[in-house]
Amino acid sequence: QSVLTQPPSASGTPGQRVTISCSGSSSNIGSNTVHWYQQLPQTAPKVLIYSSNQRPSGVPDRFSGSKSGTSASLAISGLQSEDEADYYCSAWDDSLNGQVFGTGTKVTVL
Amino acid sequence: QLLESGGGLVQPGGSLRLSCATSGFTFSSFAMTWVRQAPGKGLEWVSTFSGRGGRTYYADSVKGRFTISRDNSKDTVFLQMDSLRAEDTAVYYCARYTTITPTNQRTSLDFWGQGTLVTVSS
Repeated sequence: QSVLTQPPSASGTPGQRVTISCSGSSSNIGSNTVHWYQQLPQTAPKVLIYSSNQRPSGVPDRFSGSKSGTSASLAISGLQSEDEADYYCSAWDDSLNGQVFGTGTKVTVL
Repeated sequence: QLLESGGGLVQPGGSLRLSCATSGFTFSSFAMTWVRQAPGKGLEWVSTFSGRGGRTYYADSVKGRFTISRDNSKDTVFLQMDSLRAEDTAVYYCARYTTITPTNQRTSLDFWGQGTLVTVSS
């Protein structure tokens, strides 16, 4: 079962800003940095954010991440049709001594 | 590149060995991991092996049944899965951490394989 909690869905019209939350605890988000992944249908996940707020090269600056306490969030500004996908947060958990993933959020572009 | 193989149909209680052959980077310098995704479900971390023959880590759901190993001479990571259960049915992805240890605060999973399907059913 997932240790990090995300809303099951989020939506917006093209050009809008969408924010996805990720709630954890002191042993994971509270102690370690957060990564965010995008998974398009029938494909492997792709990293969007690491170290809570850093973008790998090639990831558009429309994607941004932040962390505060035991929660994190991913924002997608200027929403585009190709952003329709599942999004997962992830962090190392010091108590479980393992990687944990969020429950996942399906983003729909209306 | 990461290329998984070894998936298939197996009966409950059976075993399978997954392989992930890599190329294009210094394999021993990176931690490697297995992540699975049951049909229509989210991502679930399974196991990690740190780089340079370091530590291994397991999810509680597979501890004692699965064994991760790596052959740095063949740039390959393996997942030996024993005592398989129906709930182990999933696509299994191999992925690379950007660092030698998964606990590095700047790490992430930057390369993923295409996944291999494991179906546990009688």
